[in-house]
Amino acid sequence: EVQLVESGGVVVQPGGSLRLSCAASGFTFNDSTMHWVRQAPGKGLQWVSLITWNGAGTHYADSLSGRFTISRDNTKNSLYLQMNSLRTEDTALYSCAKGDYSLDFWGQGTLVTVSS
Amino acid sequence: QSALTQPASVSGSPGQSITISCTGTSSDVGTYNLVSWYQQHPGKAPKLMIYDVTKRPSGVSHRFSGSKSGNTASLTISGLQAEDEAGYYCSSYAGSSTLLFGGGTKLTVL
Repeated sequence: EVQLVESGGVVVQPGGSLRLSCAASGFTFNDSTMHWVRQAPGKGLQWVSLITWNGAGTHYADSLSGRFTISRDNTKNSLYLQMNSLRTEDTALYSCAKGDYSLDFWGQGTLVTVSS
Repeated sequence: QSALTQPASVSGSPGQSITISCTGTSSDVGTYNLVSWYQQHPGKAPKLMIYDVTKRPSGVSHRFSGSKSGNTASLTISGLQAEDEAGYYCSSYAGSSTLLFGGGTKLTVL
């Protein structure tokens, strides 16, 4: 059974940093492109970032202004998102998902709240 | 990168068919046959319903179909059922290994 379990979401002050994790199981993680997608409360989905199977390629939504970094550890079947200089508008449920350009499985997400 | 444009809401009665549109540009929907559709029930993770414009993943009902014309993709749901009531999101490859999502459409089954 495919499982993606996110963790690391907390309440953080504006300007702070946070690292999210996504633990993967039930599929060949080291063959899979992985993504982070976020959803602000009551809003739609926003693609954040993707990383290729070997970590050699990373890509981001333009709006992030270089504040986020995606990475992975294939030895641990884990995906990460380092988020710096957090803003109130980064408040959202952050989900990891697998797939190339269609996301065929999603985790339940971890909630990040940026507030003073 | 602007979000793809979807109607905020659509509705239909059980048994009817509805279509949800997803309008992009020649830089995304119009150029790439990499449009996907996701269904999201409240409090749940999105579920892939259509990929590569017209393809259905295993297990997705044949009542769901996708199409594209120019810069606009569409999702059609035939034989509406109560359990189809959900949010629906389109996405498209937008070049340079980036994705765009639509703003989402709330489907109400009357």
